[in-house]
Amino acid sequence: GQSLEQPSEVTAVEGAIVQINCTYQTSGFYGLSWYQQHDGGAPTFLSYNALDGLEETGRFSSFLSRSDSYGYLLLQELQMKDSASYFCAVRSTAAGNKLTFGGGTRVLVKP
Amino acid sequence: EAGVTQFPSHSVIEKGQTVTLRCDPISGHDNLYWYRRVMGKEIKFLLHFVKESKQDESGMPNNRFLAERTGGTYSTLKVQPAELEDSGVYFCASSPQLWGSSAEAFFGQGTRLTVV
Repeated sequence: GQSLEQPSEVTAVEGAIVQINCTYQTSGFYGLSWYQQHDGGAPTFLSYNALDGLEETGRFSSFLSRSDSYGYLLLQELQMKDSASYFCAVRSTAAGNKLTFGGGTRVLVKP
Repeated sequence: EAGVTQFPSHSVIEKGQTVTLRCDPISGHDNLYWYRRVMGKEIKFLLHFVKESKQDESGMPNNRFLAERTGGTYSTLKVQPAELEDSGVYFCASSPQLWGSSAEAFFGQGTRLTVV
């Protein structure tokens, strides 16, 4: 099967940088995705890594190391609106390409 | 372009009753997924349709849950009879036939089911 581990909660102040780590175990790894979910809202896609390295999209960046089965999401210049839950998710060919999600990290941004 | 829509947004039913959730994916998306999030925990996979066929239903909790996707368009998820532990937010997501490098899944707003 597939399993993912990420911290349950992170608190930071506006303007700070937060790194959310995600370690995974799966066979037939295909890619690692990140999703953001505000309370009461739908999960929305943030980023995707299939190859090792850093992908940057504005204030958010995502990193993947396939050899370490590890990735992280970096949130820079935190804003109050970034308070949300962040999920890492893996796709694997062994699991029919479905997304398997981690438990989510709740990020609380304080003024 | 319309996104993934789910109906109803909320449902409160008594234990033992039946509830049917509906999902309309983005037009042209062959892949349709059902997920459930319970009490702020993980987003747990339920099942995956490719067009009208069930590709993977390994996440369905038990035979009280029945999912269909008529003609490869909208999908329904029926819970019969509902139990207290079925409460949670049920999300539907869709994606294009070829995931390619974007691998983006589009989620609906979810149906919040409360069984009392």
